[in-house]
Amino acid sequence: DIQMTQTPSSMPASLGERVTISCRASQGISNYLNWYQQKPDGTIKPLIYYTSNLQSGVPSRFSGSGSGTDYSLTISSLEPEDFAMYYCQQYDSSPWTFGGGTKLELK
Amino acid sequence: EIQLQESGPGLVKPSQSLSLTCSVTGYTITSGYDWSWIRKFPGNKMEWMGYISNSGSTNYNPSLKIRISITRDTSKNQFFLQLNSVTTEDTATYYCARMDGWYLFDYWGQGVMVTVSS
Repeated sequence: DIQMTQTPSSMPASLGERVTISCRASQGISNYLNWYQQKPDGTIKPLIYYTSNLQSGVPSRFSGSGSGTDYSLTISSLEPEDFAMYYCQQYDSSPWTFGGGTKLELK
Repeated sequence: EIQLQESGPGLVKPSQSLSLTCSVTGYTITSGYDWSWIRKFPGNKMEWMGYISNSGSTNYNPSLKIRISITRDTSKNQFFLQLNSVTTEDTATYYCARMDGWYLFDYWGQGVMVTVSS
């Protein structure tokens, strides 16, 4: 299975701050990488597909980039509703696997 | 609006079977896409468990292959998870989700917490 390592596991940040979450795959995944947000109430929402494509309805302050084994999710200016858990997910090969999650917390 | 809703017992005894239902509204599960079960463990690790396709074929995570079965009832627009011989390590929140052509889980249920305990 492809292992996905997300860093950091938690990140204190302030409103308006620019933050970047990283996701490293144990082998190259050819940009087959998606991102999700999980709110404290458990609701899970897709953010980005195929490394850098914004899912419909997702604000433009979210962006994704990367290649090979290294990928990142950037939020350009944190809004109150962005404080949540974030997960990456690879789909280069089955079984599809997720990163361990990053908890974005209010500083 | 597409909605998925999980249901099932919140407590299962070790060695027994865990059975959950995902009820889908706003989209017919035989029309397209693949329909997955995903779980999130205490401590935040997430695991894709398997899916049933719109044609009824299945694909399971090999780590669960001997214990898992995903089936469906097209007349009720529901799909099901059965996980056999559960242990305390199967304690998790279980989600059903739709997977699109980008292998993106684009619609999720709210999740159901299942505890395995005697």
